[in-house]
Amino acid sequence: KQEVTQIPAALSVPEGENLVLNCSFTDSAIYNLQWFRQDPGKGLTSLLLIQSSQREQTSGRLNASLDKSSGRSTLYIAASQPGDSATYLCAVSSNPGGGNKLTFGTGTQLKVEL
Amino acid sequence: NAGVTQTPKFQVLKTGQSMTLQCAQDMNHEYMSWYRQDPGMGLRLIHYSVGAGITDQGEVPNGYNVSRSTTEDFPLRLLSAAPSQTSVYFCASSPGRHNQPQHFGDGTRLSIL
Repeated sequence: KQEVTQIPAALSVPEGENLVLNCSFTDSAIYNLQWFRQDPGKGLTSLLLIQSSQREQTSGRLNASLDKSSGRSTLYIAASQPGDSATYLCAVSSNPGGGNKLTFGTGTQLKVEL
Repeated sequence: NAGVTQTPKFQVLKTGQSMTLQCAQDMNHEYMSWYRQDPGMGLRLIHYSVGAGITDQGEVPNGYNVSRSTTEDFPLRLLSAAPSQTSVYFCASSPGRHNQPQHFGDGTRLSIL
């Protein structure tokens, strides 16, 4: 059974700092890995999707890497801003039968302080 | 540009009552899924559908029922509500290809007394 772990569970940083969020998964047979952002009381917003054949994806100040063989992904946030405060979730898709079923980690709660 | 719409946003039920959580998407997505989110446990898949008329069980299907009569709608039914079903429920949809991101609704916050 696929298990996804995110470390740390919570993180507080001053504005402007670069930071790294970690995600690990137990079964390397994945189709893709997604990073989501969740604001309090809201749904999930997809930030980046890395296909299993890719090593990294970038969107603005966000960069996600994937090392499938070691079961690890990182989300790098450059020059953090208070508006980046949210919970960040990592999820992997490992279903050969389709349906894009995702297995989620429990998230990292990020607070960026002024 | 509605995306994925869930109703209601909040609901309180008594143990034993039944209800249906609604989910609709206007993006013509083939895949739709229901997840529940509980503190410390992350999101867990309840049921999913790969197209109209096709549904299957996820990780935690007991106590829930689904059907998919149209591409747009994927309702989740609680047959006899139990306090253990108190949770936040999210519906998601995606195109019928693996490497496409999922789109989530804003959730339904359900309390069972």
